[in-house]
Amino acid sequence: DIQMTQSPSAMSASVGDRVTITCRASQGISNYLAWFQQKPGKVPKRLIYAASSLQSGVPSRFSGSGSGTEFTLTISSLQPEDFATYYCLQHDTYPVTFGQGTRLETK
Amino acid sequence: EVQLLESGGGLVQPGGSLRLSCAASGFPFSTEAMSWVRQAPGKGLEWVSAISGNSGSILYADSVKGRFTISRDNSKNTVYLQMNSLRADDTAVYYCAKGSRLTPAEYFQHWGQGTLVTVSS
Repeated sequence: DIQMTQSPSAMSASVGDRVTITCRASQGISNYLAWFQQKPGKVPKRLIYAASSLQSGVPSRFSGSGSGTEFTLTISSLQPEDFATYYCLQHDTYPVTFGQGTRLETK
Repeated sequence: EVQLLESGGGLVQPGGSLRLSCAASGFPFSTEAMSWVRQAPGKGLEWVSAISGNSGSILYADSVKGRFTISRDNSKNTVYLQMNSLRADDTAVYYCAKGSRLTPAEYFQHWGQGTLVTVSS
């Protein structure tokens, strides 16, 4: 199985900060990588697909990059509504696997 | 508008069974692969199972293989998850999600609202 190692597992930041979350795959996954945001009690929401394509309706402060084994999600200027948990997902190979999540908290 | 609506969750004793349903609308159901993903309380997301549009390809996570069965009825636009020999660690919110993993633009763009399964005596 492909392991997705997400870092950090938790972080504190302030409104306006630039935030970067990283996912490393245990083997190459091309660009079969998506990023999700989940707020407590809510359904996961897809932000990025194909590693760097922005989901329609998602603010442009979110961006994704990477290919192969290393991927990043960047929030260019953190907004109050962005405090949430973020997950990466590889779907290159079954079983598809999620990262363990990054909990983004207010500083 | 794509809609996915899960049902069938509830409280079940260890060793018991439960069948979840996910009713779909707003897209050509019979051509779309469907998956189940679960989330234990306070934990991360775990893919459980997937089924292709024609049911010709079915896959399971090792954690549920031999105990869970995914199926679909394209005449009813519904996908099912039959869960047998349930254990405490199967306690989770179960989501259905649509899309083929080989079509990134669509994969897991849409999720249902989830249904809670609690396995406890």
